[in-house]
Amino acid sequence: SQKIEQNSEALNIQEGKTATLTCNYTNYSPAYLQWYRQDPGRGPVFLLLIRENEKEKRKERLKVTFDTTLKQSLFHITASQPADSATYLCALDIFHASGGSYIPTFGRGTSLIVHP
Amino acid sequence: DAGVTQSPTHLIKTRGQQVTLRCSPKSGHDTVSWYQQALGQGPQFIFQYYEEEERQRGNFPDRFSGHQFPNYSSELNVNALLLGDSALYLCASSLPGGGGNSPLHFGNGTRLTVT
Repeated sequence: SQKIEQNSEALNIQEGKTATLTCNYTNYSPAYLQWYRQDPGRGPVFLLLIRENEKEKRKERLKVTFDTTLKQSLFHITASQPADSATYLCALDIFHASGGSYIPTFGRGTSLIVHP
Repeated sequence: DAGVTQSPTHLIKTRGQQVTLRCSPKSGHDTVSWYQQALGQGPQFIFQYYEEEERQRGNFPDRFSGHQFPNYSSELNVNALLLGDSALYLCASSLPGGGGNSPLHFGNGTRLTVT
């Protein structure tokens, strides 16, 4: 069966350290992989997108890697701050030929807590 | 530039009732997707509308239906509400095709509670 796995346990780290979140998937062949941030009671906010032929993508303190052989993406936040505390969702973009569009399929997310 | 707006923000309904949720997409976007997010879970895809037609549908029963208007705004209707329909309903807009050209822009959702 198809699965997207993100660690259900919260990740607790100290301010200034690098946070690394994992997204593993099985039985999918995504063309793109996206990461979103979600704060309590709010909708997800897009952070980064990486294509299947890209190994790494960076944006300010954020870095995403994508290994289609391992079927895994890693999401890094360097020099983490308490304001980075949120739930981070990975989403696989799967092309649906019947509708002619990519539909993001989400994992359950991992909660990150950055302690001052 | 207004982002995605959803109404109402909160709603309480009784089992068996019907509900309509509304969404206005981000300016310049013409594709609207609806997701259901249960507590502690990721968003689950319900359906996507483009050019006023349902283009793609997730694994949801026919009790869930939608509509898109000529101004690209959209409605989600749920009939015969069940307790299990209690969730945060998220609307997201994007450019046609999605994927690498257009990530989703989400509203802050409608929190539906069914009692």
